[in-house]
Amino acid sequence: SQTIHQWPATLVQPVGSPLSLECTVEGTSNPNLYWYRQAAGRGLQLLFYSVGIGQISSEVPQNLSASRPQDRQFILSSKKLLLSDSGFYLCAWKPVPTRGGYTFGSGTRLTVV
Amino acid sequence: GQQLNQSPQSMFIQEGEDVSMNCTSSSIFNTWLWYKQDPGEGPVLLIALYKAGELTSNGRLTAQFGTTRKDSFLNISASIPSDVGIYFCAGQSTGGNQFYFGTGTSLTVIP
Repeated sequence: SQTIHQWPATLVQPVGSPLSLECTVEGTSNPNLYWYRQAAGRGLQLLFYSVGIGQISSEVPQNLSASRPQDRQFILSSKKLLLSDSGFYLCAWKPVPTRGGYTFGSGTRLTVV
Repeated sequence: GQQLNQSPQSMFIQEGEDVSMNCTSSSIFNTWLWYKQDPGEGPVLLIALYKAGELTSNGRLTAQFGTTRKDSFLNISASIPSDVGIYFCAGQSTGGNQFYFGTGTSLTVIP
């Protein structure tokens, strides 16, 4: 069966520090992968999505970046965090080409102080 | 991006009551999804709809794909305390790589 792992669960980082959040999917090949941010418990904002290794589409310009170094690995990064980067970050995957919805990871609560 | 309007924004109901919420879009979708999110966790898929007019149930939950393909509805019958959470709709258009999410409906069930 397919599973998605996202870590860490919580993170407190100072302003200006770097960030690396990792997401891996097991039990599937060539999935579409997504990074979402959720502020204040509502509103899922799509940040990046990837349809293959090295292929990244950015939906919102900001100081975050994403990479997909392996088929089932998706990484969200920042060189210097801002206070406004605080939020709940969710990774998700979708099988291709079969129809169906996203499966979300358990999320990372990031607090920038 | 495409906008999905979800209503109501929040609901406070007594245990045992039925719940109805809806989602409308400015664009035609070929897939509608309904998710539930518990506090501090990722959303979990409840129901997926793939055809206009389709009515699908998952236990006490029933969702419908609107005939205009621009809306969808979710009903919860005989609510219980564990129904508490935020419910999101999501839609995808033909050939799209992503789903667009509604703003969520926060449900509180009063025992």
